[in-house]
Amino acid sequence: DAGVIQSPRHEVTEMGQEVTLRCKPISGHDYLFWYRQTMMRGLELLIYFNNNVPIDDSGMPEDRFSAKMPNASFSTLKIQPSEPRDSAVYFCASIRGISGNTIYFGEGSWLTVV
Amino acid sequence: KQEVTQIPAALSVPEGENLVLNCSFTDSAIYNLQWFRQDPGKGLTSLLLIQSSQREQTSGRLNASLDKSSGRSTLYIAASQPGDSATYLCAVREGNAGKSTFGDGTTLTVKP
Repeated sequence: DAGVIQSPRHEVTEMGQEVTLRCKPISGHDYLFWYRQTMMRGLELLIYFNNNVPIDDSGMPEDRFSAKMPNASFSTLKIQPSEPRDSAVYFCASIRGISGNTIYFGEGSWLTVV
Repeated sequence: KQEVTQIPAALSVPEGENLVLNCSFTDSAIYNLQWFRQDPGKGLTSLLLIQSSQREQTSGRLNASLDKSSGRSTLYIAASQPGDSATYLCAVREGNAGKSTFGDGTTLTVKP
């Protein structure tokens, strides 16, 4: 398998613009996670899905953030409107099952909002 | 709420030295604990996974231990090499939930 695939790898956008980040989990994995990493706050869980259903979105910072998983092989994280403080690396990760297995991370989407 | 702490935040050692990285967590109701490595500009790569019923796991020069009752884990790196320079993060996967909570990491520099 190609691993967890994220796109875009890098994005620079202007404040107020809509940003959509994409993720393709590893086939057969039933959990998908969106994390955000910054120097100040480390790695934070934003939201996670189980079998395409959002389970916990308590980490989503504001209503400007939304995430969807329309099917088992695709998820999006959208920021609308974007702000400079949203600049961070956004990681998608997936895992099979509730326990006992390794979580796999994508390479991340590096977002800069100017 | 689970909190994961890693000490030290940064560590610099000469090549060949053995070293220990520490991870502590506040809620012992975990499914497993995982150690990751992150290189600059890259994602996280899993190093070792310890189930809650296990005490330790080994892979090559790496050995991770888990003491669930005290809420602690250590990552031991033997005979460190410059290629080991990276940030090491630990993560605990919580019982009855699918999510993992991460520490802030220890940034390791191994000098030739």
